[in-house]
Amino acid sequence: GAVVSQHPSWVICKSGTSVKIECRSLDFQATTMFWYRQFPKQSLMLMATSNEGSKATYEQGVEKDKFLINHASLTLSTLTVTSAHPEDSSFYICSARDLVAGDSYEQYFGPGTRLTVT
Amino acid sequence: GQNIDQPTEMTATEGAIVQINCTYQTSGFNGLFWYQQHAGEAPTFLSYNVLDGLEEKGRFSSFLSRSKGYSYLLLKELQMKDSASYLCAVMDSNYQLIWGAGTKLIIKP
Repeated sequence: GAVVSQHPSWVICKSGTSVKIECRSLDFQATTMFWYRQFPKQSLMLMATSNEGSKATYEQGVEKDKFLINHASLTLSTLTVTSAHPEDSSFYICSARDLVAGDSYEQYFGPGTRLTVT
Repeated sequence: GQNIDQPTEMTATEGAIVQINCTYQTSGFNGLFWYQQHAGEAPTFLSYNVLDGLEEKGRFSSFLSRSKGYSYLLLKELQMKDSASYLCAVMDSNYQLIWGAGTKLIIKP
């Protein structure tokens, strides 16, 4: 149980275009989903936290107009990178927190999406 | 500020035991997580500690001392497949995960 999927697993796009990444919790309902970015040989950097039906909370330094997050349902959140630039190339990982996970507040991670902007 | 410290890299021998330490300073504490991350993959959950003491799960054990702001992950009977980065993360008073930079573990035959 507790499987999170991401689509696509990798994407190459041209500079100036937009890319949408989907994150789905397959066998549980997620009250909260998190979007992370990870550059090579660095740790995870939280970009934003999204709760179903409400606006995402962005971390300091993350442009909300550039990284659009929509948490449309308890099983789906999307991240859209608008007007992508080469410096946006990174590994994007989502995670989801189970609605009824009990006391652990464990986050289940998707497999990640590798974005390359040319 | 909030801070998680863990060694950048460690090397160990196949079949041996290795301990990866993590110290933290956070605003509040709602548990400490250890995750394993292989290169190019997403993290996978290893352990969760919220009370002091040792939690054992097969070859992996995790220890927590809240008074010292300290945890360690103990890996026994090391296998080559254990070569990965090990991430320590603390859940703060807002239930946000604060992540360490990760410890890259290299296993040698």
